Amino acid sequence: EAEVAQSPRYKITEKSQAVAFWCDPISGHATLYWYRQILGQGPELLVQFQDESVVDDSQLPKDRFSAERLKGVDSTLKIQPAELGDSAMYLCASSFGTSEQFFGPGTRLTVL
Amino acid sequence: GQQLNQSPQSMFIQEGEDVSMNCTSSSIFNTWLWYKQEPGEGPVLLIALYKAGELTSNGRLTAQFGITRKDSFLNISASIPSDVGIYFCAGREIDGGTYKYIFGTGTRLKVLA
Repeated sequence: EAEVAQSPRYKITEKSQAVAFWCDPISGHATLYWYRQILGQGPELLVQFQDESVVDDSQLPKDRFSAERLKGVDSTLKIQPAELGDSAMYLCASSFGTSEQFFGPGTRLTVL
Repeated sequence: GQQLNQSPQSMFIQEGEDVSMNCTSSSIFNTWLWYKQEPGEGPVLLIALYKAGELTSNGRLTAQFGITRKDSFLNISASIPSDVGIYFCAGREIDGGTYKYIFGTGTRLKVLA
């Protein structure tokens, strides 16, 4: 069964360091979403791609976060510099056309 | 960011009991979805609803799309220990030609054997 892949699964870093997360969506899925999920809350959208184009990054803290999907397939989310408040689960999801979105296992980030 | 209101926030129930939870929004959606998330994992889609008033089942799970299109309900019958997790609702809307999902605050379910 096709799945969304994410790596790493866990990341511990010190504040002010740079971190990067990778997502490989289900093959053929043109839409890719990055969400941040703070403990005890639901996922909140950070950035949405349609193929290689960003269609919504209104909630992305652009002073420290960046995201790219250069070839319209896999995607990277970067934080530089990381802050204590960035500790959260970072989830990637993908969808095709009118289908529902499917999530990857997430990357749990802890900033010390 | 916007989040939908889910209730209850948490539930502790005995194995075999039925569970009901709901999700409300101030705006209407054309699609409602229910996800389950286990610790350290991403949400897994349980049920999708596409039409106001629709009632859809998936095994012991039944979900309904509210008539007003501003709410949805999830029922779990005869709960078992593996039902433990956090249940999230999500409303889906079209914005600028693409789909966007707004998630609820979650209902944490614990089942006592």
